[in-house]
Amino acid sequence: SYVLTQPPSLSVAPGKTARITCGGYNIGSKSVHWYQQKAGQAPLLVIYNDDDRPSGIPERFSGSNSGDTATLTISSVEAGDEADYYCQVYNSGSDHRWVFGGGSKLAVL
Amino acid sequence: EVQLVQSGSEVKKPGESLKISCKGSGYTFINYWIGWVRQMPGKGLEWMGIIYPGDSHTTYSPSFQGQVTISADKSITTAYLQWSSLKASDTAMYFCAWGSGYSFDSWGQGTLVTVSS
Repeated sequence: SYVLTQPPSLSVAPGKTARITCGGYNIGSKSVHWYQQKAGQAPLLVIYNDDDRPSGIPERFSGSNSGDTATLTISSVEAGDEADYYCQVYNSGSDHRWVFGGGSKLAVL
Repeated sequence: EVQLVQSGSEVKKPGESLKISCKGSGYTFINYWIGWVRQMPGKGLEWMGIIYPGDSHTTYSPSFQGQVTISADKSITTAYLQWSSLKASDTAMYFCAWGSGYSFDSWGQGTLVTVSS
């Protein structure tokens, strides 16, 4: 089945830029979606179709996808961005169709 | 506004059955799929399966095929996830989520299921 690989954790100072990667074979050929999950809450879609933002998501959140790596970029990081972030793709060529990455814990120092 | 409201926490014993629910509102229920996602304590998100309420067509992850049943009652805009015989390893938070494409656009608040003797 298709595997998405994320760094388990990263830390960023307030005001800096966080880049969270999601690796997968030829992931650039798929649409990647990103979710933010704060402690004790349900996940929230923050980026869909590689680089689109749902209504209400700040412009500080952006996405890119090429080759074997997709990236979620959070600029001007705030304390409220501290959360787990998950990437997800739809893998039409497999019975494991909706695939999540293992998640990355973003700590804001 | 799309809303998914899930049923409350459950505490069950191994071997018992359980059905949890997810009520959708604010959109045309039969036109979009609803998926179920498991999150075990301290772990990541796992896709379990989806249902298209319009025709009740379901697709399960191979990891959950035969372990759970997903259903829907379009007359009351509610989707369900059920177990016939719970195991301790089913202890987890379960989320329903709504989608129009291949992303999970809107999520329920989660239902915590605890299975313990």
